[in-house]
Amino acid sequence: EVQLVESGGGLVQPGGSLRLSCAASGFTFSSYWMSWVRQAPGKGLEWVANIKQDGSEKYYVDSVKGRFTISRDNAKNSLYLQMNSLRAEDTAVYYCARDWYASYYDYWGQGTLVTVSS
Amino acid sequence: AIWMTQSPSLLSASTGDRVTISCRMSQGISSYLAWYQQKPGKAPELLIYAASTLQSGVPSRFSGSGSGTDFTLTISCLQSEDFATYYCQQYYSFPWTFGQGTKVEIK
Repeated sequence: EVQLVESGGGLVQPGGSLRLSCAASGFTFSSYWMSWVRQAPGKGLEWVANIKQDGSEKYYVDSVKGRFTISRDNAKNSLYLQMNSLRAEDTAVYYCARDWYASYYDYWGQGTLVTVSS
Repeated sequence: AIWMTQSPSLLSASTGDRVTISCRMSQGISSYLAWYQQKPGKAPELLIYAASTLQSGVPSRFSGSGSGTDFTLTISCLQSEDFATYYCQQYYSFPWTFGQGTKVEIK
């Protein structure tokens, strides 16, 4: 059974940093693109970043470029999102999702809430 | 970026109804479209990809159609568990984008 479990969310002040993690199991992690997708409270879905199987390609939505870094550790079956210079508009539930070869998302984690507030 | 217009934003329906949700693109995307269902407090779940291919395990009352700029999600006979919010997503060009969502509520 495919499982994606996010962790690392919480309350952080504007300008602060946070690192999200996603532990994957039930599939060959190193064979799949992976993504982070977020959802602000009461709002729709927004793709944030994705990363190729070997980490050689990474893509970001414009609003997080230069502030967020996606990475992965295939030996640990883990996906990460380093978030720096956080802003109030980054407040959202962040989902880790298995990315079907840089297209749609066939499995999602339960999400982790990031709140940016003073 | 490709803009997506999903309609309606709110749909009131009864169990047993046939419902359709539309997703219109600002430019053609061939069939690079997916549909998701999201229930309150839960992660989205994939329903359909490649515009019309049903994800494994999804009931056959769900169907998708369209190509180019106009797409439709149809639920042929609405069940109680189908009351949720539905999103379309294009994966034709970066950045991948989602529609604004359609909430299907009980009439």
